[in-house]
Amino acid sequence: NAGVTQTPKFRILKIGQSMTLQCTQDMNHNYMYWYRQDPGMGLKLIYYSVGAGITDKGEVPNGYNVSRSTTEDFPLRLELAAPSQTSVYFCASTPTGAGGQPQHFGDGTRLSIL
Amino acid sequence: AQKVTQAQTEISVVEKEDVTLDCVYETRDTTYYLFWYKQPPSGELVFLIRRNSFDEQNEISGRYSWNFQKSTSSFNFTITASQVVDSAVYFCVLSGAGSYQLTFGKGTKLSVIP
Repeated sequence: NAGVTQTPKFRILKIGQSMTLQCTQDMNHNYMYWYRQDPGMGLKLIYYSVGAGITDKGEVPNGYNVSRSTTEDFPLRLELAAPSQTSVYFCASTPTGAGGQPQHFGDGTRLSIL
Repeated sequence: AQKVTQAQTEISVVEKEDVTLDCVYETRDTTYYLFWYKQPPSGELVFLIRRNSFDEQNEISGRYSWNFQKSTSSFNFTITASQVVDSAVYFCVLSGAGSYQLTFGKGTKLSVIP
């Protein structure tokens, strides 16, 4: 099983550029999440989705946008890249929104903004 | 508000030593879940264990053991006879029973020296 797949694994952007981080899962999970991990820190939630067509903000949504047109895909878009967005980005999924479910994480995308 | 404190930022041990990673949490929920995740140098997040707030039994899995004490709001993780492959950042994570939202500690970086 592929689980949660993120692409690309690494990317360098210039300030002001835009890009989309891709995330897809093959487990038919309803809930999907985007996190960022800054150096020496735990993960912080950017956006989440409870199903196709429904998204909502997490703890640190500024500078990002998401969409969820299908159950499988949950892309994260950076419109105007800023150095503060240099981070490692993780996508995750769970079958439902109930507490206590281990989240299935992708391998991460390491993004540098220069 | 929920909070997870991992007071040990970095720990170094010599191979075969035992090591305990501390985790203290704060929550107003009466039902909640605690997790430990491992992040090896390759960067992925690996789920290790989940406990719910009603189950205070300690657990042992091979060289790993977990000590959950509600009285002190702690969920400590011990690795017995550490190995170089245990070198990683370990995260303690908290979630409420009715919530998908995870609160991460800042992580403890464990280095096992051969």
